[in-house]
Amino acid sequence: DTEVTQTPKHLVMGMTNKKSLKCEQHMGHRAMYWYKQKAKKPPELMFVYSYEKLSINESVPSRFSPECPNSSLLNLHLHALQPEDSALYLCASSQDNRGGNEQFFGPGTRLTVL
Amino acid sequence: GQNIDQPTEMTATEGAIVQINCTYQTSGFNGLFWYQQHAGEAPTFLSYNVLDGLEEKGRFSSFLSRSKGYSYLLLKELQMKDSASYLCAALRSYGKLTFGQGTILTVHP
Repeated sequence: DTEVTQTPKHLVMGMTNKKSLKCEQHMGHRAMYWYKQKAKKPPELMFVYSYEKLSINESVPSRFSPECPNSSLLNLHLHALQPEDSALYLCASSQDNRGGNEQFFGPGTRLTVL
Repeated sequence: GQNIDQPTEMTATEGAIVQINCTYQTSGFNGLFWYQQHAGEAPTFLSYNVLDGLEEKGRFSSFLSRSKGYSYLLLKELQMKDSASYLCAALRSYGKLTFGQGTILTVHP
């Protein structure tokens, strides 16, 4: 299984809602990542998890809260988002985050904040 | 800071060869990735260079010069399905990937 899966595919939420994005991989990878991608822009790194511990937070606002319950799962909890947070949220995983390991990307969750 | 430059758009003809250039200035450089991204889809891995030189993989090759902060992706025997965005990305420490803006390649018949 060389796949990263993400649910849901699409999500529409209001600014007062709380929702979660989910990501799963069964490749035995120990590094997992969240990226945000706006239209016609490249992906921007948000968080890096290494061995289930948060390794990097790229100064992401606290309304985005990541969680890594186990080595296969990565969640992104959303609360009090703004319309400018509407974007494609990509999850990725790699063998680890110490060398030039390929990052495998999931299909993304397209988020719309009303 | 980090700075990665690549052309915004390129066009080419089916069957031709195209070279997409990327220049970078980044601290803690650990290698250079190229990804392909079709509209509405996730990026998919094409190549990784950490040492100077050329890496060849079928119709795609990638080159790196660390001293010049320069890389290119070479696509041969272009096919219509190669129309996509090509993202150059510099790897820094702890798995931090910084992407360039992407080059939108359009292949014409």
